Amino acid sequence: DAGVTQSPTHLIKTRGQHVTLRCSPISGHKSVSWYQQVLGQGPQFIFQYYEKEERGRGNFPDRFSARQFPNYSSELNVNALLLGDSALYLCAGGTASYNEQFFGPGTRLTVL
Amino acid sequence: SQQGEEDPQALSIQEGENATMNCSYKTSINNLQWYRQNSGRGLVHLILIRSNEREKHSGRLRVTLDTSKKSSSLLITASRAADTASYFCATDLSSGTYKYIFGTGTRLKVLA
Repeated sequence: DAGVTQSPTHLIKTRGQHVTLRCSPISGHKSVSWYQQVLGQGPQFIFQYYEKEERGRGNFPDRFSARQFPNYSSELNVNALLLGDSALYLCAGGTASYNEQFFGPGTRLTVL
Repeated sequence: SQQGEEDPQALSIQEGENATMNCSYKTSINNLQWYRQNSGRGLVHLILIRSNEREKHSGRLRVTLDTSKKSSSLLITASRAADTASYFCATDLSSGTYKYIFGTGTRLKVLA
């Protein structure tokens, strides 16, 4: 049984560019959450989607957006990249909002 | 801002010793979860304890929850070098906002 997958693994962008990160949860998991983890800190909640609807949003600017597709995979989009957006972006899937989350390996984004 | 604060920030012990980490949080919760992260990669779910539970065991792990003090502890018994990792507590918010808030983490190093 495949785990949560994320692509790409690593990404280098320059300031002002746009980036799209992708996540596929475990088959049967309908909830997807996105987190940003800056080096040395804990993950910061960005979004949660459940059954293709946004269920939660963290304190991130409107440059961050996401969506969930009918097959429950998800995309995180970040516009007008800033140096401070450099981080590990983690996706987590689950069966319901208040149960354990299954994390993917993350996408390491570097903004130059 | 982070809801949870782990204590200590770093812990170094010998193999075979027990490791105890603490987590404090600020608001009412539905449940609290502990995760492990190796070398800045994806997080692995360890254990979930619900707000109406006081103690839970899983293998060498023991978690306690004190909702009156808004705190939790994770005990790893008979530690192994493979337990070397960062450990995070994560809390949902009982307000139904579908947000998981991670703490700052405890970096555990188990010396062989």
